[in-house]
Amino acid sequence: NAGVTQTPKFQVLKTGQSMTLQCAQDMNHEYMSWYRQDPGMGLRLIHYSVGAGITDQGEVPNGYNVSRSTTEDFPLRLLSAAPSQTSVYFCASSYTRTGGNYGYTFGSGTRLTVV
Amino acid sequence: GDSVTQMEGPVTLSEEAFLTINCTYTATGYPSLFWYVQYPGEGLQLLLKATKADDKGSNKGFEATYRKETTSFHLEKGSVQVSDSAVYFCALSSLGGSQGNLIFGKGTKLSVKP
Repeated sequence: NAGVTQTPKFQVLKTGQSMTLQCAQDMNHEYMSWYRQDPGMGLRLIHYSVGAGITDQGEVPNGYNVSRSTTEDFPLRLLSAAPSQTSVYFCASSYTRTGGNYGYTFGSGTRLTVV
Repeated sequence: GDSVTQMEGPVTLSEEAFLTINCTYTATGYPSLFWYVQYPGEGLQLLLKATKADDKGSNKGFEATYRKETTSFHLEKGSVQVSDSAVYFCALSSLGGSQGNLIFGKGTKLSVKP
């Protein structure tokens, strides 16, 4: 049981470059989400999805794009990277939006640096 | 909008000391409340939860009681261990303001010294 798998673990981008952070889960969870973690800011929700074909914006969606073509995958795209997007990104999944009895399952994170 | 406020860290304790991490919340409706823990280099894990007023969540010696009258969900442990060193996040989920998505506090880093 792999849980939530995020790739890559580390990435350095130049300003203006684009890239996709991958997230895959094998638990048949309907709900998936992306958070960014910054020092002193906690975790902030970027985008989320309640099922294949359905996505919505969270608290800090600007500069990011998502799609959900399958239940398993929920990639996060940075359209034109900016230094303000330097952060640690976490993907999370769950059976329901609130987490139910087991809470969210988090990936181990992608540490992104934009120079 | 919905929000979670937790005590600033870092918190440094000696092994076997008593731990309290304060958490208060603002929410529309009747939120569910959670504590998550993040060990170094890892993602977050659910530690405990409470879904209604006066519920007590507990796990691994940690506990927290949902206090509606004080809008609080303070985390406590009677005797901490070095292995409890981690960052602790208080979170809420409300079908009102957050539409059910989890909203996290800023986190409190705990270091336990032998």
